[in-house]
Amino acid sequence: EAGVAQSPRYKIIEKRQSVAFWCNPISGHATLYWYQQILGQGPKLLIQFQNNGVVDDSQLPKDRFSAERLKGVDSTLKIQPAKLEDSAVYLCASSPGTAYGYTFGSGTRLTVV
Amino acid sequence: AQSVAQPEDQVNVAEGNPLTVKCTYSVSGNPYLFWYVQYPNRGLQFLLKYITGDNLVKGSYGFEAEFNKSQTSFHLKKPSALVSDSALYFCAVRDMYDMRFGAGTRLTVKP
Repeated sequence: EAGVAQSPRYKIIEKRQSVAFWCNPISGHATLYWYQQILGQGPKLLIQFQNNGVVDDSQLPKDRFSAERLKGVDSTLKIQPAKLEDSAVYLCASSPGTAYGYTFGSGTRLTVV
Repeated sequence: AQSVAQPEDQVNVAEGNPLTVKCTYSVSGNPYLFWYVQYPNRGLQFLLKYITGDNLVKGSYGFEAEFNKSQTSFHLKKPSALVSDSALYFCAVRDMYDMRFGAGTRLTVKP
């Protein structure tokens, strides 16, 4: 079984620039999550999709962050404009259902300078 | 809302010794509890989970965890630590909607 794919692995941008991250979940996993992990902290949920619908985006800074999951498969997370405090690892995860754990991608390490 | 706490930022053990990484939880209803491990520059890897059943759960790489309802704990254990176990460990709890992670415990196993 292929894992959760994320790209790019690393990204360095200047503040106020925009950036996009891509995630391809495990085939058949209806639920997809984006997490932000700041250095030294546990992952924090940004947004959860069930198929192509948003289930929870209460912690997504909507003035600058956006996400979509077209056709209920791949997902894109965008930041525009980026701030220094957005420097973090952005993790994508997918899950087949409630009683299951998540499978995480390797993450995208974003550095905003 | 559900939450987990990992009271130790850092755990140091000698290779060959038993290790314990602590986790306590707070949930309404029955907990779904998980342990994940994170190696440098990698995503989180699933170790084990407790949904229901036996209080002692066995997982990957020789790890196990003990669910204790009265103490609301779910400590991760391994009888004999390896240097390669050195990593960041996260306890997590999930309900119907999402999974909440602890702040993580850095385990260092010294030769």
